[in-house]
Amino acid sequence: GAVVSQHPSRVICKSGTSVKIECRSLDFQATTMFWYRQFPKKSLMLMATSNEGSKATYEQGVEKDKFLINHASLTLSTLTVTSAHPEDSSFYICSGRDYHTGELFFGEGSRLTVL
Amino acid sequence: AQSVTQPDIHITVSEGASLELRCNYSYGATPYLFWYVQSPGQGLQLLLKYFSGDTLVQGIKGFEAEFKRSQSSFNLRKPSVHWSDAAEYFCAVGARNAGNMLTFGGGTRLMVKP
Repeated sequence: GAVVSQHPSRVICKSGTSVKIECRSLDFQATTMFWYRQFPKKSLMLMATSNEGSKATYEQGVEKDKFLINHASLTLSTLTVTSAHPEDSSFYICSGRDYHTGELFFGEGSRLTVL
Repeated sequence: AQSVTQPDIHITVSEGASLELRCNYSYGATPYLFWYVQSPGQGLQLLLKYFSGDTLVQGIKGFEAEFKRSQSSFNLRKPSVHWSDAAEYFCAVGARNAGNMLTFGGGTRLMVKP
């Protein structure tokens, strides 16, 4: 089946630094990618929707200047957590929608820990 | 706005016993419905989905779910649980015209006793 790869799977950074998480669709073209955040023992909360070549649409309450999303190609979207703080520590999951089939595939997730 | 409720936060069943995980949704029209499974520290794996047609949907790993419009439910079932089924299960709903943007339920953690 189709694969979405996230990198890194785990990252630890110091407070105030920026971290970039990549989400790649390995064997399909993803015109739309979704970024979710999952708090411990909680459900997934949609952060933003990105369409290839255009600006991301952020959900209410999500700071667009803090969570920068770039979707420059049909196979790659990136989430950059800028000036990270401990409260940004979380599990971030992306999903991509196959351009041809419309199916949705999820990445393995990236665990961010900000010290 | 659409919403999903999974009433059971935790469920424990014995290995070999049957399983039913509840999911209720709120949506104005016929939704797309999904069940995902998440192992600790992992991403989501799709178990099954309902778009239209037969309301009893078969999925992977022996799971099935039944869409009941009158009850706004999409409960997940498995006749005989295996220890490897222990995980977190999420029900999700998507609008047909929202490009697969999903709203997730709170999740149900399944524990399996030997």
